[in-house]
Amino acid sequence: GIQVEQSPPDLILQEGANSTLRCNFSDSVNNLQWFHQNPWGQLINLFYIPSGTKQNGRLSATTVATERYSLLYISSSQTTDSGVYFCAVDRDDKIIFGKGTRLHILP
Amino acid sequence: EAGVTQFPSHSVIEKGQTVTLRCDPISGHDNLYWYRRVMGKEIKFLLHFVKESKQDESGMPNNRFLAERTGGTYSTLKVQPAELEDSGVYFCASSQGSRGSYEQYFGPGTRLTVT
Repeated sequence: GIQVEQSPPDLILQEGANSTLRCNFSDSVNNLQWFHQNPWGQLINLFYIPSGTKQNGRLSATTVATERYSLLYISSSQTTDSGVYFCAVDRDDKIIFGKGTRLHILP
Repeated sequence: EAGVTQFPSHSVIEKGQTVTLRCDPISGHDNLYWYRRVMGKEIKFLLHFVKESKQDESGMPNNRFLAERTGGTYSTLKVQPAELEDSGVYFCASSQGSRGSYEQYFGPGTRLTVT
């Protein structure tokens, strides 16, 4: 099956720094999403981005489908950005999640 | 250990009918989440149970959707009456804890087609 790898597994940054999270996948996929897991464990959709680049405020994402990776950029990070970020891909209605990147933003 | 199971795998109903989706979480998982992907769009959060209580149902689209988790085990999601725009895949997930540090295990989904 498709493998999804996220890096780094953990990231500690000072408030105000920029960060880049990466998601690699092993085969072609129909869709890719980035989620942020809130303190209650709910996965909140950040980007639905099977290809191309999207921006939403301080966050942006780029997926290069031909090279099978996606990047999530967080600029001017804030303490509220802390948490786990998941990448999920799907093909034929099978969703495969990466193991996530745990981001710690220090005040 | 059995994973998260969902039933049925596929349901085709007519507009105006009622459908009930079922999710059986992994045994011992107090947290149960429902998500859905409307055709061709992103997966979105619907609601979250902690045991039998609704922790958050802010993602429920309207009052045609009713979720229950009696006894804190399996959960049902009823759509009544179904509309065409309800078509999509409904996913259920469960996790042991809910403080953002527990992996969610997803079921295979139920594909709902409303005609």
